[in-house]
Amino acid sequence: AQTVTQSQPEMSVQEAETVTLSCTYDTSESDYYLFWYKQPPSRQMILVIRQEAYKQQNATENRFSVNFQKAAKSFSLKISDSQLGDAAMYFCAYGNRDDKIIFGKGTRLHILP
Amino acid sequence: ETGVTQTPRHLVMGMTNKKSLKCEQHLGHNAMYWYKQSAKKPLELMFVYSLEERVENNSVPSRFSPECPNSSHLFLHLHTLQPEDSALYLCASSQGRGPSSPLHFGNGTRLTVT
Repeated sequence: AQTVTQSQPEMSVQEAETVTLSCTYDTSESDYYLFWYKQPPSRQMILVIRQEAYKQQNATENRFSVNFQKAAKSFSLKISDSQLGDAAMYFCAYGNRDDKIIFGKGTRLHILP
Repeated sequence: ETGVTQTPRHLVMGMTNKKSLKCEQHLGHNAMYWYKQSAKKPLELMFVYSLEERVENNSVPSRFSPECPNSSHLFLHLHTLQPEDSALYLCASSQGRGPSSPLHFGNGTRLTVT
């Protein structure tokens, strides 16, 4: 069975600095997607970034980028130039062709002004 | 306005009550989902509807009863709940199924069972 592990329950970063959130997963499948979702205090989960496993190039979305290491089954999220609005819970998720999406327990990110 | 709207935002109910959670999506999607989010646990998928047909039920107790009258609306009917059912219930929708179709979530209903 697939699992998603986020080993950092909470993290803090100074405003304008860079922070990296860790995520590891376990699967025997070769075709899958990985996601990072953000859940701010408004509670609405928002897709931040998505990576297709067959693509070697790391996905980027403005200040958000990932470091996808397929062999190591690692999928970390880097947030550059952190802003106060980035404060939220961040969930790493795994999705396969059977439409199973498995979420990690989340990392709460605090932005220090 | 969010593309996925959930009501009520908060709900407190006794164990003998019957209540319903409502979800409406304005995105033209054809798949809708109920998730349960408990403290310090990963999101748990409860139900999936695709084209108004239930395609997945992840061993959810019968005290939770979903209903999808059309592709824009999804309900979760609750009866004789237990205190451990207290959680944030999130609705989501997607255009099609599969991981290539990102989920769009609502703001959730915070349910407290007393």
